[in-house]
Amino acid sequence: EDQVTQSPEALRLQEGESSSLNCSYTVSGLRGLFWYRQDPGKGPEFLFTLYSAGEEKEKERLKATLTKKESFLHITAPKPEDSATYLCAVQMIYNQGGKLIFGQGTELSVKP
Amino acid sequence: DSGVTQTPKHLITATGQRVTLRCSPRSGDLSVYWYQQSLDQGLQFLIQYYNGEERAKGNILERFSAQQFPDLHSELNLSSLELGDSALYFCASSEQGWFTEAFFGQGTRLTVV
Repeated sequence: EDQVTQSPEALRLQEGESSSLNCSYTVSGLRGLFWYRQDPGKGPEFLFTLYSAGEEKEKERLKATLTKKESFLHITAPKPEDSATYLCAVQMIYNQGGKLIFGQGTELSVKP
Repeated sequence: DSGVTQTPKHLITATGQRVTLRCSPRSGDLSVYWYQQSLDQGLQFLIQYYNGEERAKGNILERFSAQQFPDLHSELNLSSLELGDSALYFCASSEQGWFTEAFFGQGTRLTVV
């Protein structure tokens, strides 16, 4: 069964304290892995797409990496405005469409 | 602003009723996706339309149906509503039938009482 698991469920950091979020996946064939940010009551906001093992992408304080079994979202020197739920999702090759399977998310809280 | 517009933002209705949620995709996007987000289930894919045709289907209940119109906007119809249908319903859109990135709307919060 295709599955996406994120850890930890919740993460509390002090401002400036770097850390990483994990997304492990079990799918038959990966087309792409997506990271989204979601603020309470809002729609998910696209961050990154990764396609192959070894690929890395960066945006401001965020860096996403991909291996054959998992992806990491590294947050460097976070600020309170980085507080949100971070969602990981996968899209499979055999799907005819663009269906995403989402993980449950990691709720990040950054305190000043 | 993602460019994806969903209406209404909030909806409160009684059990057994029927509601329609509306989504206007970003200009130029041919695909529309519907997702349901509840506290215990997370974001769950419901259905995708591409240029008016159904492209992919998730675990969408038989009480739910959707369509995409010639102007590419989409509607999600929920009928015989139950308390457990209370959730956030998101629409997303992409240029192709599958995507390198997809843009989500702000959602419709449905409360069934």
